[in-house]
Amino acid sequence: EVQLVESGGGLAQPGGSLRLSCAASELSFSSYNMNWVRQAPGKGLEWISYIGGGFNIYYADSVKGRFTISRDNAKKSLYLQMNSLRAEDTAVYYCVRDRDYAFEDWGQGTLVTVSS
Amino acid sequence: QSALTQPASVSGSPGQSITISCTGTNNDVGSYNFVSWYQQHPGKAPKLMILEGSKRPSGVSNRFSGSKSGNTASLTISGLQAEDEADYYCCSYAGSITWVFGGGTKLTVL
Repeated sequence: EVQLVESGGGLAQPGGSLRLSCAASELSFSSYNMNWVRQAPGKGLEWISYIGGGFNIYYADSVKGRFTISRDNAKKSLYLQMNSLRAEDTAVYYCVRDRDYAFEDWGQGTLVTVSS
Repeated sequence: QSALTQPASVSGSPGQSITISCTGTNNDVGSYNFVSWYQQHPGKAPKLMILEGSKRPSGVSNRFSGSKSGNTASLTISGLQAEDEADYYCCSYAGSITWVFGGGTKLTVL
């Protein structure tokens, strides 16, 4: 089981930016497929982005063009650059490793609040 | 992508069995054998309980089982215990490296 620790959440203004980070504990991080999944307060889960071990990248329509996923395998870290933030982006953001098309390992989450 | 449809709530008494349904479309549940189920206790991160429709990860109780028929997947919990009270989410791979979740079901153990 890989340990994942998110950071970088906080308060941002509408139209503003935030960068989330996720640190992994495993040396084999470079081979992992990684995702960001979010959960608005009191709501369900929403998959928003994927980056594979081969650096192929995909986004949900709700964040495409505004969010950018990236990774630094040397630092065993995953990132999410969030621009043009909206109130509806308010959520807990989870860093998640997927395996066999299921979300196997989850971080503890970091809360992003978008409000003026 | 529209969310998968789950009942908002289910309940059962200790020792009983309950089933949570998850209905999708031909574009997700009906096309792929990659339905997964997650348990989430309040304030905690979700935990993978079932993958590929019916497989249990190591460490998950065999009281949890999954199945699929057509566009509907199901999670059954047998021998209900107090600690099973939580929110449960289904998720399906939807092609082109995208996933869709269900809206979640709150399980109450009476």
